[in-house]
Amino acid sequence: EVQLVESGGGLVQPGGSLRLSCAASGFTFNHYWMSWVRQSPGKGLEWVANIKQDGSESYYVESVKGRFTISRDNPQKSLDLQMNSLRAEDTAVYYCARSGGGYCSSTGCYTFYYYMDVWGKGTTVTVSS
Amino acid sequence: QSALTQPASVSGSPGQSITISCTGTSSDVGGNNYVSWHQQHPGKAPKLMIYDVSKRPSGVSYRFSGSKSGNTASLTISGLQAEDEADYYCSSYTSGNTWVFGGGTKLTVL
Repeated sequence: EVQLVESGGGLVQPGGSLRLSCAASGFTFNHYWMSWVRQSPGKGLEWVANIKQDGSESYYVESVKGRFTISRDNPQKSLDLQMNSLRAEDTAVYYCARSGGGYCSSTGCYTFYYYMDVWGKGTTVTVSS
Repeated sequence: QSALTQPASVSGSPGQSITISCTGTSSDVGGNNYVSWHQQHPGKAPKLMIYDVSKRPSGVSYRFSGSKSGNTASLTISGLQAEDEADYYCSSYTSGNTWVFGGGTKLTVL
């Protein structure tokens, strides 16, 4: 079964740090871009960051640049989000999502589709004093 | 990276059809065919309903269809059913290798 399971959420004080993880199973992890998407209480979805199949490229929404770092461990089939200098507005459910598929070879990584077709159930981050 | 524009709410009676619009720019919706739609029920993770503007994943009802004209994409749900009541979000891959979501539309089945 294709599955993503997030962990690491919790309560943290403003200015603090937290590291989220996402464990993937049931698919060839290193063939896919991966993303983090968050949803603040009562609000809509907001894309946070993504990372290429081989980890060579990553991109962020403006509001988290310089504070959050996305990374992946392909042999372990895991995706992480290191969150520093947390603010109250970072309070949200954080989802891990598979966000583009292709493959990597000796000549590089190639992506054939871009859509978020597999989602985890989310992990809750609360930033409050 | 401004959010795509969706109506806050739409409603319809069982059996009717509704359409939700999603307006972006030439850097996202209008610049590629990587527009998707997700359905989200309260307390649940989003579910992919439409990808590449108009394609349906396996298992998604034929009652869901998508289209695009210029910088505006649309999701149409025909033959409304009570179980369709949910929040719907459009999303688009962008020219900057990022993603952008719409603000979400709450669908009420009357």
